[in-house]
Amino acid sequence: AQSVTQLGSHVSVSEGALVLLRCNYSSSVPPYLFWYVQYPNQGLQLLLKYTSAATLVKGINGFEAEFKKSETSFHLTKPSAHMSDAAEYFCAVSDLSQAGTALIFGKGTTLSVSS
Amino acid sequence: EAGVAQSPRYKIIEKRQSVAFWCNPISGHATLYWYQQILGQGPKLLIQFQNNGVVDDSQLPKDRFSAERLKGVDSTLKIQPAKLEDSAVYLCASSLPGEGAPLFGNTIYFGEGSWLTVV
Repeated sequence: AQSVTQLGSHVSVSEGALVLLRCNYSSSVPPYLFWYVQYPNQGLQLLLKYTSAATLVKGINGFEAEFKKSETSFHLTKPSAHMSDAAEYFCAVSDLSQAGTALIFGKGTTLSVSS
Repeated sequence: EAGVAQSPRYKIIEKRQSVAFWCNPISGHATLYWYQQILGQGPKLLIQFQNNGVVDDSQLPKDRFSAERLKGVDSTLKIQPAKLEDSAVYLCASSLPGEGAPLFGNTIYFGEGSWLTVV
């Protein structure tokens, strides 16, 4: 069965600093991995996804993530944080069970950005 | 392009009462999902439809939760009777894959959610 673990429930950075949100996955087969962002009182919005093409995936709003099979990781980064990046971030993996094609989510990481 | 529509956005009910949430997916999306997101946790799948058929309802508490997608378009999720632990955001989502399309790796689009508080 697939699963993801997000390390750190809360990350705080200063505006302009590097953002690093950590995600490790568990999967017996090549995974499909996603990062979603959730702003207050809103639904989830896709930032980027990995579907076995390039290991470095670029997403919206300047975010990118690198798939590292040897480390079973898919960490999300952004070179310079903006105040508007403050939100909840979820890592997810496709559920490859025969039953369905839904996503399995991590518990989320809250990103705070200070001026 | 219109996104996934959900209503009501907010609902407060007493325990043992019933509630229903409605969802209209993105036009043309064959797959529809209902997720439950409890405060401080990631979303958890309740049920997945492909057109009007159920693909996965293994995590749906069937003694109190029911869902239907009669015409393969919009869907309703019902809770009866509600318990305090049902307080959560109920997210509806949709994705494209239809018959014969690649199943995995497709983008799933989420609505803004229906916030339920059970008191």
